[in-house]
Amino acid sequence: NAGVTQTPKFRVLKTGQSMTLLCAQDMNHEYMYWYRQDPGMGLRLIHYSVGEGTTAKGEVPDGYNVSRLKKQNFLLGLESAAPSQTSVYFCASSNDYNTGELFFGEGSRLTVL
Amino acid sequence: GQSLEQPSEVTAVEGAIVQINCTYQTSGFYGLSWYQQHDGGAPTFLSYNALDGLEETGRFSSFLSRSDSYGYLLLQELQMKDSASYFCAVRGPGSARQLTFGSGTQLTVLP
Repeated sequence: NAGVTQTPKFRVLKTGQSMTLLCAQDMNHEYMYWYRQDPGMGLRLIHYSVGEGTTAKGEVPDGYNVSRLKKQNFLLGLESAAPSQTSVYFCASSNDYNTGELFFGEGSRLTVL
Repeated sequence: GQSLEQPSEVTAVEGAIVQINCTYQTSGFYGLSWYQQHDGGAPTFLSYNALDGLEETGRFSSFLSRSDSYGYLLLQELQMKDSASYFCAVRGPGSARQLTFGSGTQLTVLP
């Protein structure tokens, strides 16, 4: 039972390069999220999706784009990476029950030089 | 907007009881969640309170007072493996059940 899988787990970029983080979930969840976590700042929501084909901005969306072409996948893109985007990125998913529970992937550690 | 406050660090000894407090300010409130995160790992769900009162799950309990915009996580019979970061998170009025997280409390359990 895979749950939420993120790829890649580690990546080093140079300033200005682009990349895409892939999140896949096998729980048939409607809702998916991308968070970033920086030391001492908890998790901050970047973008989220309420279903296939829909996306919306979260708390810190600037510099990121997302797509949800298939229900099970949620992609996070960085068009022109900046050192400020060095962080650990977590994808999460949830169903439509009011339990306050998100299922998180193992994280993707991104360093921008 | 939404904001949460929780202590940055708590230290306790093995076998003890520790309480991690969380106060929040939010424009709409649907519930308070607690998550545990070990170093280098993913956050994992511990508990959720939508109504006032105490919810118990094994050694962990969570409390909510909506009138005080306050909640806490209570960990009993502390074990070394409980050393981790603990986050409170509020679910606001958004349609996607998105959560806003506090900055986390680093719990250190000493032998």
